[in-house]
This record gives sequence, structure tokens and C-alpha cells, in this order.
Amino acid sequence: QKEVEQNSGPLSVPEGAIASLNCTYSDRGSQSFFWYRQYSGKSPELIMSIYSNGDKEDGRFTAQLNKASQYVSLLIRDSQPSDSATYLCAVNKSGGSYIPTFGRGTSLIVHP
Amino acid sequence: GAVVSQHPSWVICKSGTSVKIECRSLDFQATTMFWYRQFPKQSLMLMATSNEGSKATYEQGVEKDKFLINHASLTLSTLTVTSAHPEDSSFYICSARLFGTKSPNYNEQFFGPGTRLTVL
Repeated sequence: QKEVEQNSGPLSVPEGAIASLNCTYSDRGSQSFFWYRQYSGKSPELIMSIYSNGDKEDGRFTAQLNKASQYVSLLIRDSQPSDSATYLCAVNKSGGSYIPTFGRGTSLIVHP
Repeated sequence: GAVVSQHPSWVICKSGTSVKIECRSLDFQATTMFWYRQFPKQSLMLMATSNEGSKATYEQGVEKDKFLINHASLTLSTLTVTSAHPEDSSFYICSARLFGTKSPNYNEQFFGPGTRLTVL
């Protein structure tokens, strides 16, 4: 089992819809979880960080964390074509070193 | 806040030469910086973790003698690709992690814009 798993997609949603991106992780002791957005040819940009079970909202973005199920998701409301990018889930390993492990990313396409 | 710069943004060099890439955290101190490599349409690959004042920790399969990392201060880390070859052509990205912040944003990484290396 990969340490951080994401569906590679592409996930295609119409403009204005909710895009739901999912991520599962294997290290049960992980404490820090992040979502990054990466446009083609560019470096990743931090969107959200989440540390506690439940939902965390920031504008059109909502991160959801369920440590019991080892699952973290990102919802994008009112999706826009400019949201079209690859979304990377990152999880910090437990054990004190906080070395990040990235998923392979999910490609999101928002079509007009 | 939390801006990371990289220089150069792109470089073209001849096979056999060495290339140095700088990564700076502009408005915060970073105890830890990470170096990644990304080939086209592939995922990020962590190459090494760099802690200020100590030797870098390299991921399995990454040659430490080929990819020299120096983290001389809390705001600067450098990656030198020695004797570069065409197979080293890639997108190299650094990131920096906030220092000393416990809540709410501890352990967040901020990425530099990347350096595109082409070795002829």
C-alpha cells in the first residue's frame, strides 16, 4: 500500500459545481495534513492545512479530516476554470521528523 | 508572508558542468528546507532534507556526491548538481518550513517557484 494515495483522475466537473478530491494515508500516527495546488509547469502552492478531525473552511475550500478512517479530502465549491490544476495531498510522517509524503496528485478539470 | 525564492528560474548547461541552485526564505526563518525533483507529468520526488547547520539527509537512491546540499543559514539552502548529464534535466523545487511556530500553521511548507534545468 502506498503511503499517500490519490486518484490520478482527471476529475472533470462543470463550472459552478463542487469538486471533491480524496486522499488516504497509511501512517496512522500522522498528525499534519496539507493540500497543495500545482498548475502545469509551476511549483506547488499551499491551499490548506488541517490537523484535527472535522472540517476546516477557507473561502471556497473545505478540508475534511477523519483520522480513524485515515482519510482527508478537499472540497472546492463553485468551481471555476481557474481551479483546473493538479491537487497534491501531503501527509507528515509520525515520529518527530515531520518528513512530508506527497501523493501523486489528482488532476482537476473545470469546464465552462 | 511565507515567500520562498529560487535562483535561477531556468538554466541550460553543457554536460559535465556543475550547476548551483539557491533557495531563500525571504520573510521567515526556516529550520528545514526540502529539495524535490519533478519530471514531466510525474509526481514530486523528495531528494533530500536540509537542516540548518547540519548535513543533509538524502532519500534512498539519491547520490549525495552528485547533489550537494548546503544549508548555511536559516534563510538559505543551495543545491549543486555536479557533473550534470542530460538525465539530470528536470524541474528542481525547494521548499522551506516555518521555524518555531506551533499553532496554527506549524509544519507548513512553502515552495519556491522552481528551477528548470536542461543539460545538453
